[in-house]
Amino acid sequence: DGGITQSPKYLFRKEGQNVTLSCEQNLNHDAMYWYRQDPGQGLRLIYYSQIVNDFQKGDIAEGYSVSREKKESFPLTVTSAQKNPTAFYLCATKGPGAQGSPLHFGNGTRLTVT
Amino acid sequence: KQEVTQIPAALSVPEGENLVLNCSFTDSAIYNLQWFRQDPGKGLTSLLLIQSSQREQTSGRLNASLDKSSGRSTLYIAASQPGDSATYLCGNYGQNFVFGPGTRLSVLP
Repeated sequence: DGGITQSPKYLFRKEGQNVTLSCEQNLNHDAMYWYRQDPGQGLRLIYYSQIVNDFQKGDIAEGYSVSREKKESFPLTVTSAQKNPTAFYLCATKGPGAQGSPLHFGNGTRLTVT
Repeated sequence: KQEVTQIPAALSVPEGENLVLNCSFTDSAIYNLQWFRQDPGKGLTSLLLIQSSQREQTSGRLNASLDKSSGRSTLYIAASQPGDSATYLCGNYGQNFVFGPGTRLSVLP
């Protein structure tokens, strides 16, 4: 069953701790994305990767880091430098073709930092 | 930088009504227009994709149209059902996807 798996579904952390969110896909897609969603706002792009071993900052990359060592995996680390980390985090992938294929999403991870 | 607006922000209708959701872009350079559905606490589910050379797409009771000259897209839902209740988001893929804030739809039985 092809898809995108984000884990865990819920994550609780104390302020000052780094935390890593997992995103795994078996769609064989090259492009992977991390978005943040806050109530009443559209999705905001954190980081994206078009190919293994390469990634680019999105609009709100400060306080986050990523790696792309394997095609299937694109983990996101929320560092203690992120001022307001509590949010819903969504991972997405996109198939081949610069424009003609749809974006697919995982089910998200809700991070709460206290 | 492109911005996306969606009108209305929220909509409540009785079951069976036909309805239209609107999506507008500040930049008419629309490449890949995608409509999504999001249920509470879930990720986004792709509904329809209109590629840059197309004007509309249909899937079941859903029809999405795109007017690139005005930078607008509409999602038409026919014969709405309570199961259609969700937040509907539109997004445009240029260099990267830009999303609207969504329209929260409630269909009352």
